[in-house]
Amino acid sequence: TQLLEQSPQFLSIQEGENLTVYCNSSSVFSSLQWYRQEPGEGPVLLVTVVTGGEVKKLKRLTFQFGDARKDSSLHITAAQPGDTGLYLCAGLSAGGTSYGKLTFGQGTILTVHP
Amino acid sequence: DTGVSQDPRHKITKRGQNVTFRCDPISEHNRLYWYRQTLGQGPEFLTYFQNEAQLEKSRLLSDRFSAERPKGSFSTLEIQRTEQGDSAMYLCASSAYISEAFFGQGTRLTVV
Repeated sequence: TQLLEQSPQFLSIQEGENLTVYCNSSSVFSSLQWYRQEPGEGPVLLVTVVTGGEVKKLKRLTFQFGDARKDSSLHITAAQPGDTGLYLCAGLSAGGTSYGKLTFGQGTILTVHP
Repeated sequence: DTGVSQDPRHKITKRGQNVTFRCDPISEHNRLYWYRQTLGQGPEFLTYFQNEAQLEKSRLLSDRFSAERPKGSFSTLEIQRTEQGDSAMYLCASSAYISEAFFGQGTRLTVV
């Protein structure tokens, strides 16, 4: 069974601070996706990282995929109250009996206070 | 194309009743996923399809849960003899084979 460990589970910070969310696994993934979810809504895709060592930037958000494609991080610079939400990482299985299956981490609840 | 569509958005049912949810994926997406999510947690895998074939079903699912995708387009998820523990958000997602998945807005089930 492939597991994704996401940390921290909760993050409460002040506007303007920086933060990093981590997503770790002992398994290799063909790609890793980051989502943001607001209460009562479905997850919205932020980014997909595919290549080991890949770094993608989306305005104040920086996503990194580990060299071995087992882990990823999301860094937010100068957080704003609008960044508040549940952040989810999800790995796409690279092979085996669950090839192509999407597995989620437990999520990080981010609260940014004005 | 308006994305993944789920119906209904909300469902309140009495314990013991059967419920059925529908998911219409993005057209031409051949993969369709069902997940269950409780408040503040990550989505829990239920099952997924490639076209009309059900590739995997979670071992956590009881026999009361069944999903179909008869023509490889829309899918239904049925829960028989609902229990209070079934109360959750049920999410559907679709993808074009092995690629990024896009989610619907979910169906919120409340069993009373």
